[in-house]
Amino acid sequence: GQQVMQIPQYQHVQEGEDFTTYCNSSTTLSNIQWYKQRPGGHPVFLIQLVKSGEVKKQKRLTFQFGEAKKNSSLHITATQTTDVGTYFCAGNTGFQKLVFGTGTRLLVSP
Amino acid sequence: NAGVTQTPKFQVLKTGQSMTLQCAQDMNHEYMSWYRQDPGMGLRLIHYSVGAGITDQGEVPNGYNVSRSTTEDFPLRLLSAAPSQTSVYFCASSYPGHYGYTFGSGTRLTVV
Repeated sequence: GQQVMQIPQYQHVQEGEDFTTYCNSSTTLSNIQWYKQRPGGHPVFLIQLVKSGEVKKQKRLTFQFGEAKKNSSLHITATQTTDVGTYFCAGNTGFQKLVFGTGTRLLVSP
Repeated sequence: NAGVTQTPKFQVLKTGQSMTLQCAQDMNHEYMSWYRQDPGMGLRLIHYSVGAGITDQGEVPNGYNVSRSTTEDFPLRLLSAAPSQTSVYFCASSYPGHYGYTFGSGTRLTVV
């Protein structure tokens, strides 16, 4: 079945440092979604990428979708303590049958 | 507008018991899904539905049943609870097409 791998599993940064998480799918995706989950909370939708090579920005967050539509990345510039949480990518092969990556847990020290 | 409502928030079951986790949404979303979240394993899809009367299996369907008689409700039934089903369960819903999922706040289930 479809698999979505995400690295790293965990990253601890100092406030102000950059952070990147990478997502790779075993199959070609129709789109990829990114979610953030705060400790003890539920996943919250951040963004969706649909087109090959697409790049989208949300303030300090930059999302990329690979040319082959099998990989993606999330980059956070100048992390803040409010960025703490686990970031998940979710691959969609159709009909919203999302397969989530294992997530990257981000810890930011002030 | 309540979004996605899951009940109960916490539940302890004995091995072999059955129960139903409730999920309701008031956004008229056609797509609904159930996920379980275990430490270090992310979210795994149990069952999903693309509309009333239509359901399909996800990655880990064994031991669970679902039905979708209305657009609003998508209950998840545990047939005979096992300790391996100890997890946090999330229900989510979405419009069809390129939209993100809205998640409920989750049900934390412990099977002893």
